[in-house]
Amino acid sequence: NAGVTQTPKFQVLKTGQSMTLQCAQDMNHEYMSWYRQDPGMGLRLIHYSVGAGITDQGEVPNGYNVSRSTTEDFPLRLLSAAPSQTSVYFCASSYFGTGGGETQYFGPGTRLLVL
Amino acid sequence: GDSVTQMEGPVTLSEEAFLTINCTYTATGYPSLFWYVQYPGEGLQLLLKATKADDKGSNKGFEATYRKETTSFHLEKGSVQVSDSAVYFCALIFSGSARQLTFGSGTQLTVLP
Repeated sequence: NAGVTQTPKFQVLKTGQSMTLQCAQDMNHEYMSWYRQDPGMGLRLIHYSVGAGITDQGEVPNGYNVSRSTTEDFPLRLLSAAPSQTSVYFCASSYFGTGGGETQYFGPGTRLLVL
Repeated sequence: GDSVTQMEGPVTLSEEAFLTINCTYTATGYPSLFWYVQYPGEGLQLLLKATKADDKGSNKGFEATYRKETTSFHLEKGSVQVSDSAVYFCALIFSGSARQLTFGSGTQLTVLP
């Protein structure tokens, strides 16, 4: 049981380049999400999914796309990278019950630098 | 909107000292409350949680009680260890579909031997 895995661990991009951050979980969780972590700001939600084929925007979705074709995978796409997207990106997953108190499990993160 | 305010860091303590990290929240309704910990170079791990008023979450010697009257969820530990050095995040969540964790800005804790 690997939990939540993310690749790559670190990436350098030039402005305007595109890339996909990969996220996978092996816990059969319905809910998956992407956060970005910036200094002094905690984590902010980018996009989330409550099941295969269902995605929605979070707090800071601009510049990012997602899709969810399987329960296990939830990739995050940067279409045209900008320096403002320099950040650490975390993927998380959980069961999707009715109470909201389900534990969310986080991946190890991807550190992205956009020059 | 919903928000979480936690004690500004960094916090530096000697081993075996008592730890308190304050966390208060602003929210309409009754969220679930969490403390997450981030060790250097790693992702976030759940430390403890409480899903309703007066619940106490505990794990690894850490405790926090969900206080509805003061909208607080302060983290405490009676005797910290060097291995507790990390960044601690307070967070809340509601039961809506977004399941968005609203995080505080984090508190860096360093424990000296």
